[in-house]
Amino acid sequence: GAVVSQHPSRVICKSGTSVKIECRSLDFQATTMFWYRQFPKKSLMLMATSNEGSKATYEQGVEKDKFLINHASLTLSTLTVTSAHPEDSSFYICSALDTPGADTQYFGPGTRLTVL
Amino acid sequence: GDSVTQMEGPVTLSEEAFLTINCTYTATGYPSLFWYVQYPGEGLQLLLKATKADDKGSNKGFEATYRKETTSFHLEKGSVQVSDSAVYFCARRMDSSYKLIFGSGTRLLVRP
Repeated sequence: GAVVSQHPSRVICKSGTSVKIECRSLDFQATTMFWYRQFPKKSLMLMATSNEGSKATYEQGVEKDKFLINHASLTLSTLTVTSAHPEDSSFYICSALDTPGADTQYFGPGTRLTVL
Repeated sequence: GDSVTQMEGPVTLSEEAFLTINCTYTATGYPSLFWYVQYPGEGLQLLLKATKADDKGSNKGFEATYRKETTSFHLEKGSVQVSDSAVYFCARRMDSSYKLIFGSGTRLLVRP
């Protein structure tokens, strides 16, 4: 149980285009999902907290107009990287809570974004 | 500020060797502590956790003890296997929040 999927697993796009990444909880409802960014050989950095039916809460230094997050249902959150640039190339990972306020986050396998 | 520091890798061991991956944290309170593992091509999975001082988390032969005196949560395993090769992340829960702060990860390579 508690499986989280991400789609796509890899994406390559041209500079200036927008890319949408999906995060789905497959066997549970997730009122809260998180989006992380991971640089090579670096830690995961929390970008934003996504709550179903409300606006996402962004961490300091994360551009909300650049990284659009939508959590339209209890099983789906999307991250859209708008007007992507090469510096946005990274590994994006989502996670979800199966119970509000729970200790354990369930992680997706990640999406590798490469912007040319 | 809040942080988690873990030893840099890669750590290379022979099968059946003893493993220790060090992790220390900063905190004003007593946050829950976690070890996550990321196998090649997969997402992070919770390996074990401890929610209060002196608790010992354990799973799959791995153990870690919550030491408030040394603010540490070192991961240990008595006899590693090739299948343990992965990246291990130490993490702490932020005070008064469900957010997690991660260490930089330690890659473990176990050779037959």
